[in-house]
Amino acid sequence: DAKTTQPPSMDCAEGRAANLPCNHSTISGNEYVYWYRQIHSQGPQYIIHGLKNNETNEMASLIITEDRKSSTLILPHATLRDTAVYYCIVRVGSAGGYQKVTFGTGTKLQVIP
Amino acid sequence: DSGVTQTPKHLITATGQRVTLRCSPRSGDLSVYWYQQSLDQGLQFLIQYYNGEERAKGNILERFSAQQFPDLHSELNLSSLELGDSALYFCASSLRQTPGPSLGDTQYFGPGTRLTVL
Repeated sequence: DAKTTQPPSMDCAEGRAANLPCNHSTISGNEYVYWYRQIHSQGPQYIIHGLKNNETNEMASLIITEDRKSSTLILPHATLRDTAVYYCIVRVGSAGGYQKVTFGTGTKLQVIP
Repeated sequence: DSGVTQTPKHLITATGQRVTLRCSPRSGDLSVYWYQQSLDQGLQFLIQYYNGEERAKGNILERFSAQQFPDLHSELNLSSLELGDSALYFCASSLRQTPGPSLGDTQYFGPGTRLTVL
């Protein structure tokens, strides 16, 4: 199964861009990179996902390196409400097409006023 | 609001007891996933169902079981409860399970059930 590595914590000043890195060096060619976040003890919230190309939506941008071994989630103008644990996951398919999903411990982003 | 509902929101029970957690997926979603999150821990994948059939298993204890019903709602049964089972239990749903190699399939999470075992 492809694993992801994220820094345990990061700080970001309010209004600045938050850049959250993720390493997934063993990713396979047909595996997607997903980002979720969890605010306090709420249910995780989907942010964005991508395969090869960079992606942008109303919440964030996802930059995937050309070799796909790492990616960066960018929150362009971080606010206090973006303080959360951010999870980078790679969707894994096991034999028979079953979907095993592995969440790591994520990056705890603290947005500072 | 993700569209996924979970009941109850809070559950307090004693060791040795049995509880049932319920999840209603988003309308149209065929896959349901269950996760456990203990205090200050990451999300641990327990089990996945697709259209009533078990599709993937994670680190689910033998004391735990789940099922997905014809109306696609799912229940997670926890028995012989221990103190260590105290945790948040999340359900997530997604639109479809595509056979073969994994493809993108966004999961939408419910608000969770907080289980406290005393």
